[in-house]
Amino acid sequence: NAGVTQTPKFQVLKTGQSMTLQCAQDMNHNSMYWYRQDPGMGLRLIYYSASEGTTDKGEVPNGYNVSRLNKREFSLRLESAAPSQTSVYFCASLVERQLQAFFGQGTRLTVV
Amino acid sequence: AQKITQTQPGMFVQEKEAVTLDCTYDTSDPSYGLFWYKQPSSGEMIFLIYQGSYDQQNATEGRYSLNFQKARKSANLVISASQLGDSAMYFCAMREGPKGYGNNRLAFGKGNQVVVIP
Repeated sequence: NAGVTQTPKFQVLKTGQSMTLQCAQDMNHNSMYWYRQDPGMGLRLIYYSASEGTTDKGEVPNGYNVSRLNKREFSLRLESAAPSQTSVYFCASLVERQLQAFFGQGTRLTVV
Repeated sequence: AQKITQTQPGMFVQEKEAVTLDCTYDTSDPSYGLFWYKQPSSGEMIFLIYQGSYDQQNATEGRYSLNFQKARKSANLVISASQLGDSAMYFCAMREGPKGYGNNRLAFGKGNQVVVIP
């Protein structure tokens, strides 16, 4: 099925470990996004990418890095995980003419 | 500064009644888009409805309608004839930047919790 694919779905990390969350879309969308969702906080934008080769900081970028490898893929990296990064992470992509953003299934990350 | 404001506390709605979810937004961009998403307890994000800033008419999609008041910067979602399956968190979101222009920042509000009771 066409859509946005996020991996992994679940992850437990120890403080200080690193990991990369992967996101891929097969809809030829230009814009891609990474959000984190915490109780009572809604979805907060971490980073976004308007097109291949460009990335911009969102509302809460500290502690994260991103890479727009090509038009399909947009990865989120935690270099040194902290308990404050325990959250549910969503990747999304948007093509303007379709007037909606498509979301991945989310990654539940726990940092202990 | 917060771009999207959803301030209603959790709401209980009687089945078959209508419910209105409030959303106000802040932007100086003349071209923007407004979205509503539903997130049930299973966690996925489900697109409901879209309103463009230049659209003359309020958007409707089945039981969902968007009450767009541009001067007040308000984009309330109306769900008619509530069903038990409507119990979920609802998020309002805004895309800034002209449609078709690559640099579209997409920001979400904190959400409204709705519980439909039989």
